[in-house]
Amino acid sequence: QKEVEQNSGPLSVPEGAIASLNCTYSDRGSQSFFWYRQYSGKSPELIMSIYSNGDKEDGRFTAQLNKASQYVSLLIRDSQPSDSATYLCAAQAAGNKLTFGGGTRVLVKP
Amino acid sequence: GAVVSQHPSWVICKSGTSVKIECRSLDFQATTMFWYRQFPKQSLMLMATSNEGSKATYEQGVEKDKFLINHASLTLSTLTVTSAHPEDSSFYICSAAQSGGELFFGEGSRLTVL
Repeated sequence: QKEVEQNSGPLSVPEGAIASLNCTYSDRGSQSFFWYRQYSGKSPELIMSIYSNGDKEDGRFTAQLNKASQYVSLLIRDSQPSDSATYLCAAQAAGNKLTFGGGTRVLVKP
Repeated sequence: GAVVSQHPSWVICKSGTSVKIECRSLDFQATTMFWYRQFPKQSLMLMATSNEGSKATYEQGVEKDKFLINHASLTLSTLTVTSAHPEDSSFYICSAAQSGGELFFGEGSRLTVL
């Protein structure tokens, strides 16, 4: 059973719109959560980390965490074609070990 | 962010040979590094946790005698794929953690076994 679940997509959004990505996790011991962006053929790139309930904003990105619901989300505002990528949600328990979701592919259409 | 470097970025080898991939943390010391494998259109799968000065911890289903991991210093971990076969062809990615817990990834190494 996968411990971190994401909708595989593709999530298609028009340029300038908001892309909303969701992620759920099963391990209540997870304390830290991350969103990575991965372009095809490239390594994942960290874009957001979140550790406590609520919202965290960084530029056009907003991460939301609800530990009671075991739910993490990522909003991308003013989506650009360069945001087209696969977004990986990851949960971290003790020992720095990350568990990744399957990733959501996002397509931003000009 | 922190810099993690992998080498080589791509390698082609014949079946039965061994391939070594290096992972270096360039601007911080990493007592723990992680090795992942990613097949096309799939997510990252953790293979093993590399601990400086001690044996690596392998995930279930990963053959420790086939994927040899050495973490000889605080800035270098190596993964050796021994007796590689075509089914080992994949994208291998290492990561290292800073003290804050955020993991940074190397550029990845694409292995093709003929």
